[in-house]
Amino acid sequence: GQQVMQIPQYQHVQEGEDFTTYCNSSTTLSNIQWYKQRPGGHPVFLIQLVKSGEVKKQKRLTFQFGEAKKNSSLHITATQTTDVGTYFCAGFYNTDKLIFGTGTRLQVFP
Amino acid sequence: DTGVSQNPRHKITKRGQNVTFRCDPISEHNRLYWYRQTLGQGPEFLTYFQNEAQLEKSRLLSDRFSAERPKGSFSTLEIQRTEQGDSAMYLCASSLTASYGYTFGSGTRLTVV
Repeated sequence: GQQVMQIPQYQHVQEGEDFTTYCNSSTTLSNIQWYKQRPGGHPVFLIQLVKSGEVKKQKRLTFQFGEAKKNSSLHITATQTTDVGTYFCAGFYNTDKLIFGTGTRLQVFP
Repeated sequence: DTGVSQNPRHKITKRGQNVTFRCDPISEHNRLYWYRQTLGQGPEFLTYFQNEAQLEKSRLLSDRFSAERPKGSFSTLEIQRTEQGDSAMYLCASSLTASYGYTFGSGTRLTVV
């Protein structure tokens, strides 16, 4: 079946350091979305990528969709304590439902 | 618009009992999804509706689980004869169309004792 894996599973960084999480799919995705879940909270939609090789930025966050549409990455520049949470990628596989990745939990130390 | 609302927030039940959860989506969203999330895992798809039609149900879902969305508004998820393995956070989400970002509710945390 379709699987979406994310690495690393956990990442601890000092405030101000950069952070990257990688998302890999076993099969081609029609598009991909990214969500953030704060501790004790629910997933919150961040962005959607549709085109092969697409790059989008939101302030300190940079999202990329691979050329083959099987992988994606999220890069955070100069992390802040407000970035703490779990980041999920989620993909559509020519169906109408999202399949969520395994998530990367980010901890930021002040 | 107050977003997606789920009730109750917490439910503790004895094994073997039936439970029902409710989700009120964003009013103009015709897509409604149910997911289940256990600690340290990503949300796992259960089922989804377009308006009142249930379009897909996960093969992982046993027939103890049933969901409805009468009149295409709120939805209910019922679990019959609960088991300890059903303990999880049950998340509801809605979206405007198939490929829009999902808006999640705060979830219902179920504990089966």
